[in-house]
Amino acid sequence: DIQLTQSPSSVSASVGDRVTITCRTSQDIGRWLAWYQQKPGQAPKLLIYAASSLQGGVSSRFSGSGSGTDFTLSISSLQPEDSATYFCQHTNTSPLTFGGGTRLDIK
Amino acid sequence: EVKLVESGGALVKPGGSLRLSCAGPGFSFSTYTMNWVRQAPGKGLEWVSSISGISTYTYYADSVKGRFTVSRDNANNSLFLQMNNLRAEDTAVYYCARPQGWGAFDIWGQGTVVTVSS
Repeated sequence: DIQLTQSPSSVSASVGDRVTITCRTSQDIGRWLAWYQQKPGQAPKLLIYAASSLQGGVSSRFSGSGSGTDFTLSISSLQPEDSATYFCQHTNTSPLTFGGGTRLDIK
Repeated sequence: EVKLVESGGALVKPGGSLRLSCAGPGFSFSTYTMNWVRQAPGKGLEWVSSISGISTYTYYADSVKGRFTVSRDNANNSLFLQMNNLRAEDTAVYYCARPQGWGAFDIWGQGTVVTVSS
C-alpha cells in the first residue's frame, strides 16, 4: 500500500502570507494526487487534482505542483477563510490513501 | 444539481450491524465508481471502500475487510455500505464520494454519523 506523509502537521501564518504544504508518497504515483480543504463540520472540498490542476470554482491563490513522490500545495495571499485542515490523497489505485492532514491557522 | 445524500447512521452496540445508504440523483450514477470515506472524531480521512459502476469490482481498506460490504442499486441511484461486527474504532462520520476523471473526489455527501458504543 502507498503511504502518504504530510508536513507540517500544523502551521500558523498571517493574512497575506504564503504557505506551502508538502506530501510525500512511499511509491511513485506520477501525477495521481489530489488536495482537499476541510473546515470543521463540513465535508472535504476538492482543491487540486492531477497534482497541479485547479478544480473549477477554486481560488487561483491555491496551486499544486510535483510528480512522482514529492508534491506541494501552496496558498498565496492567505485569507481568514483559508483556516482549515488540508489533506492530500493518491487517486490511482486502491487503497486510495489520504495523508494525515495539515491544520492551517490564520493569526 | 449534482449531490450525494447519506443516511442510516446511528448508535449501535459493539458487534452490531448497520446499513448506510447514499442517494445520488442528478448525474449518470451507473457510470461512476463510488466510494465510502470515514473520519473518526478529531482524526483524518480514511478511505473505506470502492465499487465500480456495474459492481464488477469492489475494494476495501484492510481495517474493514471481511466485515463491511459495499453494494449499489443503479436503477435507484443508490450506494450502500453494510457494516457487520462493528467495533468502537468504526465510530466516525461516513461520507460517500464520487470521483472525477483523475480519481479525485469532486462530489461529497454531507456525511452520516456512526457511533459504536455500549
